[in-house]
Parts: sequence; structure tokens; C-alpha cells
Amino acid sequence: ETGVTQSPTHLIKTRGQQVTLRCSSQSGHNTVSWYQQALGQGPQFIFQYYREEENGRGNFPPRFSGLQFPNYSSELNVNALELDDSALYLCASSLTGGGYGYTFGSGTRLTVV
Amino acid sequence: AQSVTQLDSQVPVFEEAPVELRCNYSSSVSVYLFWYVQYPNQGLQLLLKYLSGSTLVKGINGFEAEFNKSQTSFHLRKPSVHISDTAEYFCAVSEISGGYNKLIFGAGTRLAVHP
Repeated sequence: ETGVTQSPTHLIKTRGQQVTLRCSSQSGHNTVSWYQQALGQGPQFIFQYYREEENGRGNFPPRFSGLQFPNYSSELNVNALELDDSALYLCASSLTGGGYGYTFGSGTRLTVV
Repeated sequence: AQSVTQLDSQVPVFEEAPVELRCNYSSSVSVYLFWYVQYPNQGLQLLLKYLSGSTLVKGINGFEAEFNKSQTSFHLRKPSVHISDTAEYFCAVSEISGGYNKLIFGAGTRLAVHP
């Protein structure tokens, strides 16, 4: 049973640029959620994808967008990067809904300079 | 909206001593509760979860937690800690909203185990 894998592990971008982060969900999991964890804080929910559709979003602006593919893998795209976007981005996969728990990846550390 | 409060931002403890990390949540309706551990420069690993049934939940690495509905608490305990338990611990509650489920996390408790 494979876990959740994220790529890249680290990334440095310049303010104003765009970035794409990738996530492969755990085998058998059909729901993917993305979280942002700023330094010294708990993770914050960005959005969730189920059946290739966004079915829930947290308090993040539209420049945060995503995709889910037929194999349940996912991408997080952030446009017009700001310095405050510097954070650890975590992908979590689950069976429908996630009420029984999520499996998290190791995250992508994004630094915006 | 639900919220999670982790009452201690840092907990220092000596090796082989017992430890309790405190967590309170806001909701009074049925909840799913989780504890995750995060080692430096890593993602989140599930320690244990409460979905229903017995209020005492046992997890990995010797950790356990007790669900207390009347006090809306879900404290994490370990009777004897090891140096390797040094990490950040997050309590989370599952919130169902608009047909989807998300986790609401506390701010975390940094457990520092000293020799």
C-alpha cells in the first residue's frame, strides 16, 4: 500500500510568479485535500477534490486553484505569489469524505522571495 | 464553525516521565477527533482517532487519548516518554460542512523530551 507522495519537496519562487505542486494519493483513496501550514501554526484547509470536482474550499482567494485527475492524483496551483504564501503545503488523501481519517504526505516547502 | 484549542504551546518533560497534551474542541454535536504528530521537516502522521464507541482510544507509539464529551476535551497521554517522542503534536476535529468534510487543527503543542 503506497502512501501519499508530494513533489517537489522544496521550492523557491519569486513574488508574482506562479507555482504548481503535485500530489499522488494513497491507493484506493478518492478524495484529496490540500492544507497550508505557515511556520509555527497548525494546518489550514485550502480545498478538497472529489471525483475531479472541487467540493469544498476554505478561506483562500481564487488565485489558489487545483485539479484532480482520473487516477485521483492532484495539483495545487498558486498564481501571483505573495510573500505570505511561504509555507508548508500538505496534501491529504482519504476515502469519500474523510471522516475516518486522512493520510498526509510529507509536504512541499514553498519559499517566496 | 468548530474550533480546536491546544492549551499548551510547549511541554518540556524528562525522559521516562508521563505526559499529557491537552486539547479542547468547541462543538457539542457528534465529532470525529484526531491526534497527529509532526517530526521536524516532515508531514503529519496519524497517532490515533476517535470516531465512536469507547472513550479511551489507543494509538501508535504507546499514546492514548480520552474523549470527554461533557468537557469537550480529547487529551493525549503517554505513561513514559522517550527522546524520540520530541515533535509537534496537533489535535484536530472533523467538520462536515456543505456536503464535504475537513479537518480543523489546533495550533499545536511542541513536546520536548529531555534526557
